[in-house]
This record gives sequence, structure tokens and C-alpha cells, in this order.
Amino acid sequence: EAGVVQSPRYKIIEKKQPVAFWCNPISGHNTLYWYLQNLGQGPELLIRYENEEAVDDSQLPKDRFSAERLKGVDSTLKIQPAELGDSAVYLCASSLGAGTYNEQFFGPGTRLTVL
Amino acid sequence: TQLLEQSPQFLSIQEGENLTVYCNSSSVFSSLQWYRQEPGEGPVLLVTVVTGGEVKKLKRLTFQFGDARKDSSLHITAAQPGDTGLYLCAGGAGGTSYGKLTFGQGTILTVHP
Repeated sequence: EAGVVQSPRYKIIEKKQPVAFWCNPISGHNTLYWYLQNLGQGPELLIRYENEEAVDDSQLPKDRFSAERLKGVDSTLKIQPAELGDSAVYLCASSLGAGTYNEQFFGPGTRLTVL
Repeated sequence: TQLLEQSPQFLSIQEGENLTVYCNSSSVFSSLQWYRQEPGEGPVLLVTVVTGGEVKKLKRLTFQFGDARKDSSLHITAAQPGDTGLYLCAGGAGGTSYGKLTFGQGTILTVHP
């Protein structure tokens, strides 16, 4: 069974440029998460989807960040414009959702460097 | 806001030593998970504990969930260099926050040969 797929793995951009990350969750997983992780720290939730619906986006900086999961499968996270402080690893995770103990399966992440 | 505090933040030991990582909170969690993350990869789930007082063993790793479901510990016996990585605990919420995991800040473990 394929795991969570993310692309690109690495991205280097200049500040004020836009950037987008893509995630394809494990087949059959209804819940999808985007996290931000700084070096040596735990992941911080940005947004959680149940199918197509964003059920928790309280930590998403909506002035520059946006996300979508149009068909309830893969998802895109966008930053426009990027700032120096956005440099981090962006992780996508998925889970079966209701009826489980929130066990999440993570992709390898996209390491973003903003110059 | 639910918070999880892990200690120690850094741990550097020699191969063969034992170690314990702690995860503490003032909040009650419906489940507690431990993940291990290697550089350049995403966290990988090691174990889920859901019952207060529960103890689970995974080879040389022993996980315990506190009786009140507010704290947990991870004990590694006879650590090996392959155990090196970032260890994360994560608490699962119930009720209206179902589906949300709160992560601790992590413990960076280095095992020297």
C-alpha cells in the first residue's frame, strides 16, 4: 500500500514569491492534515480536512496561506507571498478518521527555504 | 488549549544504555501516541495507548500511559545507534476536537556507537 505522497520534496524561493505544495493521502483516508514543522520541533497543525470540508483551520494564517481539497482526495497548500519566516518543513498526514484513535500517517514533507 | 511537554529535549547516550522520555500535560487525552522521526522523513507511528495505566511493549521499547491519561513515558532498553531520531508524543482529543492531535516539542535522541 502506497503511503502519503508529497511533492516537491524541496523548494527554494525568494521572499514575496508564491509557492504551492501537493499531497496525495493514503487511499481511503477521509481525513487530511497539513502541518508546519520547524527544525527539532513537533508539528503544528495548519488545517484539517474531513473529505472536502476544512473542519479546523484556526491556525492557518489566512492572509497568505490557502488550502484546498476539491474532490476529497489530494490537496494543495499555497503560500502567497512567502516570507522569510515561512522557511520550515510542511508535512501532510492522513487518517481513516472517525472510529480510529486519530492515528495519522505522514508524508516525507516538503522543505521550504525562503531567501 | 491542550499542551504536551516532553523531557528531556535532548538526550545523548552511549550504545547499550537505557533511557526514558517523558510526556506530561495538565489535560486529559483520549489517546496518546508516540512517533519517531528520522531526518528528511515524516514522523512514523510507533504505538497508540488509550487506557489509563496501559503498558505496551515493542521489542526494546516500553510505553506507558498514566492512570489519569495526562502523561506518558517511553523507555528504551539497551539503546542502539539505529534508535537515533526525534521522538514525539501526541495527544488525541475527544468530543468536539475529535481528530486533532496535539504534539509535544520532541526529544532528540542520539545514540553513539
